[in-house]
Order: sequence, then structure tokens, then C-alpha cells
Amino acid sequence: DTEVTQTPKHLVMGMTNKKSLKCEQHMGHRAMYWYKQKAKKPPELMFVYSYEKLSINESVPSRFSPECPNSSLLNLHLHALQPEDSALYLCASSLRLSGDAYNEQFFGPGTRLTVL
Amino acid sequence: AQKVTQAQTEISVVEKEDVTLDCVYETRDTTYYLFWYKQPPSGELVFLIRRNSFDEQNEISGRYSWNFQKSTSSFNFTITASQVVDSAVYFCALSGLITGGGNKLTFGTGTQLKVEL
Repeated sequence: DTEVTQTPKHLVMGMTNKKSLKCEQHMGHRAMYWYKQKAKKPPELMFVYSYEKLSINESVPSRFSPECPNSSLLNLHLHALQPEDSALYLCASSLRLSGDAYNEQFFGPGTRLTVL
Repeated sequence: AQKVTQAQTEISVVEKEDVTLDCVYETRDTTYYLFWYKQPPSGELVFLIRRNSFDEQNEISGRYSWNFQKSTSSFNFTITASQVVDSAVYFCALSGLITGGGNKLTFGTGTQLKVEL
């Protein structure tokens, strides 16, 4: 299994809703990532988990709350989002080894989020 | 700070033409890694190639080839005999280590390639 899966594919939510995005991989990767991508822009890193621990938070607003319940699963909990948070949310994973800057990240298909 | 520049915002070619996508990077690290990703309209980023800073050999994979030149800090990507299915946004990215694990990709702004019949 060499893929990263994400659910749902599309999500429409109101500003008062609470929803979650889910990401799963079964490649034995121990680093997992959330990115946000606006139209015609490159992906922007939001969070990195390494061995189920948060290793980086790129100053993301607290209305986005990541969770890594186990080595295969990564969630992004959403609450009180703003319309400007509408974007494609991409999950990725990479094999973490020591000195692993070379490890390519494998991306999921993304969740297209619309906040009304 | 790391930076990746893809000066070509959009390129249009006719099928079977060769096309080169440019990538210029900046980093102070002596060890670093460069990547190319393809993003078709469906949205998923597809990994194409990884290259480390110590390996300047060019690489060819089918119709794809990559030219890494450390002297000019460039990592260009050529598609030979382009096809309509090559139409996508192509991102060049530079990797740096994150303390605590994982690697941080710095992406260029992407080049939209349109291949027409």
C-alpha cells in the first residue's frame, strides 16, 4: 500500500460548525504533515508530526487543532473557521530516519474545504 | 532562509514539443535535497524526483529528465515529446530538516504547463 488517503474529499461548513479532516497511511511512515493550499499558490505547511508528537506548528490559528492518535492516522479538527480558511487541505507522510531531509513526502488527494 | 524561484508562471506548448521548466534555489545548507512534484487538476501532488546536493548527475526517466547544476543553483526539468496528460502545475521544492523530526519543504510558486493538441 503506497498511498495516503484523505476523507472527506469535499466539505462545506458554516462558521459555527465543528468538523474533522482525516488522513491515513499504511506505509510505516513516522512523519505526517498538514498543508493548506489556496488556488494558484504552493502548499503552505501547517503542522508536522514525528513519531506521533507535534514537532512543528507554523503559527496556525487555534481554530485548527491537529491530532495524531497513532502512527497511521492524522486528524485536523476544525472549529469556528472563517471564509478565508476555504482551501485545499493536503496531508502528506514521509519515512522518518535520522537525517531524513532526503525523504520525499507522499501526498494524499486533499480535502476541498468551503467555509460559508 | 531557503528560497525556491520558478520564474515561469505558465507555459503553453503543442503536443510533442519539448519543454523545460526552470527552478533556481537559495540555501545556506551544505547538505540539502531538491524535489519536483506534479499537481494535476485533481489536486494530488505526485512525487517525481529527489536529488541530493552531492549528486550532480543528470537523471532521465522515460520522457522526463532533470539537470542539476550546483554552480548556478538550478534544478531544471525537461519533458521530451510532451503529451496532453502532462498538463499540470509543476512545483520545485527544497528540503530542510526540522528539529524533532520530519522535513520541511520550501516550494516554488509553481509552473502551470498546458499541452495542447
